[in-house]
Amino acid sequence: DTAVSQTPKYLVTQMGNDKSIKCEQNLGHDTMYWYKQDSKKFLKIMFSYNNKELIINETVPNRFSPKSPDKAHLNLHINSLELGDSAVYFCASSGTWEQFFGPGTRLTVL
Amino acid sequence: AQKITQTQPGMFVQEKEAVTLDCTYDTSDQSYGLFWYKQPSSGEMIFLIYQGSYDEQNATEGRYSLNFQKARKSANLVISASQLGDSAMYFCAMNPESNRLAFGKGNQVVVIP
Repeated sequence: DTAVSQTPKYLVTQMGNDKSIKCEQNLGHDTMYWYKQDSKKFLKIMFSYNNKELIINETVPNRFSPKSPDKAHLNLHINSLELGDSAVYFCASSGTWEQFFGPGTRLTVL
Repeated sequence: AQKITQTQPGMFVQEKEAVTLDCTYDTSDQSYGLFWYKQPSSGEMIFLIYQGSYDEQNATEGRYSLNFQKARKSANLVISASQLGDSAMYFCAMNPESNRLAFGKGNQVVVIP
């Protein structure tokens, strides 16, 4: 069974479009995250939710809006996509200390 | 703010030999966790090992061990008996009380037969 899953795995879209990435975890964790990995492989946190409540919101453009319908899901919606949004987006979840990552979504904006 | 430093350039290691990946960190938090993740060319992030700041023993997980030196603020990863499948990027990360993970820039390891 996949612990943290993301869909889609690949997303290719035009500038200006709106897209969503879905994330689900079946680990029973309370906290979920979105990370962005840029072309130089640097990983940086974007958002963190604990029990559906936003607890971390790094300096991310407000075109990015996370939504957590329940504690097992944390989706990421991106409006008005720009070229610089091209990256790999990872969802993760954590219990106490450890964080487990989803397989990543490679977003390419043309 | 926390800072994680991984400064080694890409490394080549002979199969079956051990390799040490350096990681230093900077934090004013008293309680924190240190992690290593592996990212193969397929892209997924694989959790390898965890060390809590109050753990007195160095963490070990199979062929992975973490050489934790708290006073020096270092958390080096040792991979023993390297295998071809160990070729990957390796990321050191820290998880302070705020629970977010701060990552280093990664080390590229290539295992050669």
